[in-house]
Amino acid sequence: GENVEQHPSTLSVQEGDSAVIKCTYSDSASNYFPWYKQELGKRPQLIIDIRSNVGEKKDQRIAVTLNKTAKHFSLHITETQPEDSAVYFCAASNGNQFYFGTGTSLTVIP
Amino acid sequence: DVKVTQSSRYLVKRTGEKVFLECVQDMDHENMFWYRQDPGLGLRLIYFSYDVKMKEKGDIPEGYSVSREKKERFSLILESASTNQTSMYLCASGRTQYFGPGTRLLVL
Repeated sequence: GENVEQHPSTLSVQEGDSAVIKCTYSDSASNYFPWYKQELGKRPQLIIDIRSNVGEKKDQRIAVTLNKTAKHFSLHITETQPEDSAVYFCAASNGNQFYFGTGTSLTVIP
Repeated sequence: DVKVTQSSRYLVKRTGEKVFLECVQDMDHENMFWYRQDPGLGLRLIYFSYDVKMKEKGDIPEGYSVSREKKERFSLILESASTNQTSMYLCASGRTQYFGPGTRLLVL
């Protein structure tokens, strides 16, 4: 089956700096790669996603890149703000199941 | 706005009890999922369903069963709860995973 690895497990950045979270996957059949943000005590929520026919997608301060050949994808957050502090999960899906990374706890220091 | 609800936010049960966790979605989604979330392990798929009365095992189905009698409702059943099933249980629906608020289950 699919194996998704996510790094780093914790990340601290100064407010205004950029944050990058990286994930790798193993199954070339995976074709959908969403990212979720989970604030403390709340449910995970989709923040951005990318499909395998696209290399990069951007939504305001958030961007995701996908390298199908290397089987890795990354989340980029620019101009970080304290409200970006949360746990972020990457996932890979083949259209049926979703396989999640183990999460990155991001802390933005004011 | 998609709404996914779960029957309980917090639940305390005793070892050996039968436990029912219910999830309801209002967006006519075909796909529904049950995960458990544990620190350092991320979200692990227990079971999923892509149609009424259909079910598929996920990565950790042992000790669990599911029921999908109606499209909007997906139930997770712990036949005989054990302490190692203490966890946060998250239901999700749809092809992009709309999550419910979670049920924090403590098995004593």
